[in-house]
Amino acid sequence: DVKVTQSSRYLVKRTGEKVFLECVQDMDHENMFWYRQDPGLGLRLIYFSYDVKMKEKGDIPEGYSVSREKKERFSLILESASTNQTSMYLCASREAGGAAPDTQYFGPGTRLTVL
Amino acid sequence: LAKTTQPISMDSYEGQEVNITCSHNNIATNDYITWYQQFPSQGPRFIIQGYKTKVTNEVASLFIPADRKSSTLSLPRVSLSDTAVYYCLVDTNTGFQKLVFGTGTRLLVSP
Repeated sequence: DVKVTQSSRYLVKRTGEKVFLECVQDMDHENMFWYRQDPGLGLRLIYFSYDVKMKEKGDIPEGYSVSREKKERFSLILESASTNQTSMYLCASREAGGAAPDTQYFGPGTRLTVL
Repeated sequence: LAKTTQPISMDSYEGQEVNITCSHNNIATNDYITWYQQFPSQGPRFIIQGYKTKVTNEVASLFIPADRKSSTLSLPRVSLSDTAVYYCLVDTNTGFQKLVFGTGTRLLVSP
């Protein structure tokens, strides 16, 4: 069974702090994703990574950066947290697909509150 | 970008069939349609995926018309445990910048 774990379920930070959200997958998947989920807006893609050391901007990358030094780990970084980054953050991974995209496996999410 | 539109919420009763439609007018040739289910305090999980016509698995069916501009997720004989949020995703292996989830449909199943 694929397992995607996220470092924290709940996190409270102050405005201006640097925040690290960690995601680890145990299935040797090439692709990894970070989404944020807000009421009425669904899931929006922040950043993704095709493979180690590779990263690409998604739909809403402003205010975020990422790091992928090892294949199993994909980190989301908020350089200077702001209150509008209060949200649920979801990490996902999947195999690099063939003709059809493979299933995305999601972690349980981190609910971040920025005060 | 293939924007998707779904109903915000739906109500049903146990034992009924539920159909949730998603529109994706700008779907590209290489895109697939995938549906995910999400329970509170959990990440979404895969239900079904299709490219065209009809796909069926042990939990759902997916109907995609010839023009592929919409898709319908069909849940046969729902139970209380099917109460969840259902997301439609236009998915691709070519350019993840185009990954677009719908805003989700909150399905409430009552006894």
